[in-house]
Amino acid sequence: EAAVTQSPRNKVAVTGGKVTLSCNQTNNHNNMYWYRQDTGHGLRLIHYSYGAGSTEKGDIPDGYKASRPSQENFSLILELATPSQTSVYFCASGRTSSQNTLYFGAGTRLSVL
Amino acid sequence: GQQVQQSPSSLVLQEGENAELQCNFSSTATQLQWFYQSPGGSLVSLLSNPSGTKHTGRLTSTTVTKERRSSLHISSSQTTDSGTYLCAREQGTGSKLSFGKGAKLTVSP
Repeated sequence: EAAVTQSPRNKVAVTGGKVTLSCNQTNNHNNMYWYRQDTGHGLRLIHYSYGAGSTEKGDIPDGYKASRPSQENFSLILELATPSQTSVYFCASGRTSSQNTLYFGAGTRLSVL
Repeated sequence: GQQVQQSPSSLVLQEGENAELQCNFSSTATQLQWFYQSPGGSLVSLLSNPSGTKHTGRLTSTTVTKERRSSLHISSSQTTDSGTYLCAREQGTGSKLSFGKGAKLTVSP
């Protein structure tokens, strides 16, 4: 069974602070993704990666950076957190082919006060 | 605009009834998946069905590619089917999935 682990599961941050969300996958998948989920918007793609050292902008990248230091790890970084970034964040991994299935982590609930 | 539209947005059933969920997408999809999200939980892939009809257990998905629509049929619903069902299509190249807003299903005993 594919495994994607996110940490932390819950986070409270202050406006202007730096937040790092971590994701680890043991599936040896090339592709990894960060989504956020908000009521009324569904899941929206923030950043994604095709492999170690690669990061690409998704649909809503503003205010976020991403880092893929290894095949297994993909981080989402909020350098200056804002209340509008309060959301539930999901990491996912998948194979390279267009028929790949995504495997999601359990999510991180972030509140920016 | 929204690339993936789902209907209905919510549905309430009695246990044993069937559910039909619809997904329409704005351009031809090379990848079409249905996901299930438990209340407050993560997403699990149910079916990958870019075209034709696929079955797994009580689930049947039918995708008509040239009409840019897909459906998910849940037969003999159970209370444990309650949750949100999301449709996702591949967005451009690179295996990026674009999601609909989901359909919330509530099955009462």
